[in-house]
Amino acid sequence: DAGVIQSPRHEVTEMGQEVTLRCKPISGHNSLFWYRQTMMRGLELLIYFNNNVPIDDSGMPEDRFSAKMPNASFSTLKIQPSEPRDSAVYFCASSLRQSQETQYFGPGTRLLVL
Amino acid sequence: AQTVTQSQPEMSVQEAETVTLSCTYDTSENNYYLFWYKQPPSRQMILVIRQEAYKQQNATENRFSVNFQKAAKSFSLKISDSQLGDTAMYFCAFGSSGSRLTFGEGTQLTVNP
Repeated sequence: DAGVIQSPRHEVTEMGQEVTLRCKPISGHNSLFWYRQTMMRGLELLIYFNNNVPIDDSGMPEDRFSAKMPNASFSTLKIQPSEPRDSAVYFCASSLRQSQETQYFGPGTRLLVL
Repeated sequence: AQTVTQSQPEMSVQEAETVTLSCTYDTSENNYYLFWYKQPPSRQMILVIRQEAYKQQNATENRFSVNFQKAAKSFSLKISDSQLGDTAMYFCAFGSSGSRLTFGEGTQLTVNP
């Protein structure tokens, strides 16, 4: 299996621009998680999906953030408009069943908003 | 809500020696799972080892083993024969049915030659 795939791996953008991060979970996994990692706040869960349905989005910082999972093999995390404080590494992870099973992480997207 | 605490922000060890990373957690759940993840400088999050709370036997994966003390809510990671490639940030994590995975703050381990 190819593992969790994220794109792009690096993104540099200017404040105010829209940013879209993409994730392809491991085939057969039905839970998908988006995390953000910063030096100040560590690893934070933003949102997670179970069977393509958002279960808990309480970690999404603001209305500028939105996430979708149109099918079992694809998810997006969108930031519009982006701000410098959104600069972070964004991870996608997938598992067979929520927190009962091991979460496998993608390589992350390193986002820099200037 | 569950909490996970890693009280050692940084640790170092000489190559080939053994090191133990500490983790404590707080929960009222009886069935849960504990994990150690490793994050090397590449930033990739890599699963090191997993322990089911209902299992009394401590999990082992090659040079990595855990000391799971359920009553004390302690879950330490022992790395034997440390290698330079073990240099990374190590995260302890807690998961239970119907809840999100909760991560500790991390311990930066440096293996010195």
